[in-house]
Amino acid sequence: GENVEQHPSTLSVQEGDSAVIKCTYSDSASNYFPWYKQELGKRPQLIIDIRSNVGEKKDQRIAVTLNKTAKHFSLHITETQPEDSAVYFCAASKGNTPLVFGKGTRLSVIA
Amino acid sequence: DGGITQSPKYLFRKEGQNVTLSCEQNLNHDAMYWYRQDPGQGLRLIYYSQIVNDFQKGDIAEGYSVSREKKESFPLTVTSAQKNPTAFYLCASRDQYATNEKLFFGSGTQLSVL
Repeated sequence: GENVEQHPSTLSVQEGDSAVIKCTYSDSASNYFPWYKQELGKRPQLIIDIRSNVGEKKDQRIAVTLNKTAKHFSLHITETQPEDSAVYFCAASKGNTPLVFGKGTRLSVIA
Repeated sequence: DGGITQSPKYLFRKEGQNVTLSCEQNLNHDAMYWYRQDPGQGLRLIYYSQIVNDFQKGDIAEGYSVSREKKESFPLTVTSAQKNPTAFYLCASRDQYATNEKLFFGSGTQLSVL
């Protein structure tokens, strides 16, 4: 089955700097790659997603890139703000199969 | 995000006891999921159901059971066979026949052992 690896497990950045979180997946048939943000004590919320027919997608300060050949995708957050501090999860799936999640990255933005 | 409701928010289990976590959705979604969240472990799939009266085991189904008698409801029972049940449990649903595969999560249940 699918296996998703996520790095780093923790990340600290200064406010205003960029943050990058990387994930790799094992199943070349996976075609949907969402990113979720989970604030302390709350439910995960979808922040951006990308499908395998697209190489990059951007939404204001966040972007996701996908390299199908290398089977990895990354989340980029620019101009980080304290409210970006949270745990971020990547995931992958194909068709109607359940999402397989990475282990998460705890991002801390230092003011 | 009021479409999927989990209860209770906190639950305590005694040794040898079975407990049931509730999950209800009014989004008319066919697919529902249960994930377990432990610190540093991400979200791991326990069970999922893509249609009423049918469900499949996920990666960590041992010690858990589910039912799907109604489209809106997907309760999870943590049995006494689950020796390490302390975790945050998240229920989710999605419209798997739509082009948007977005997963909607409930607010979670924190289960602890007394």
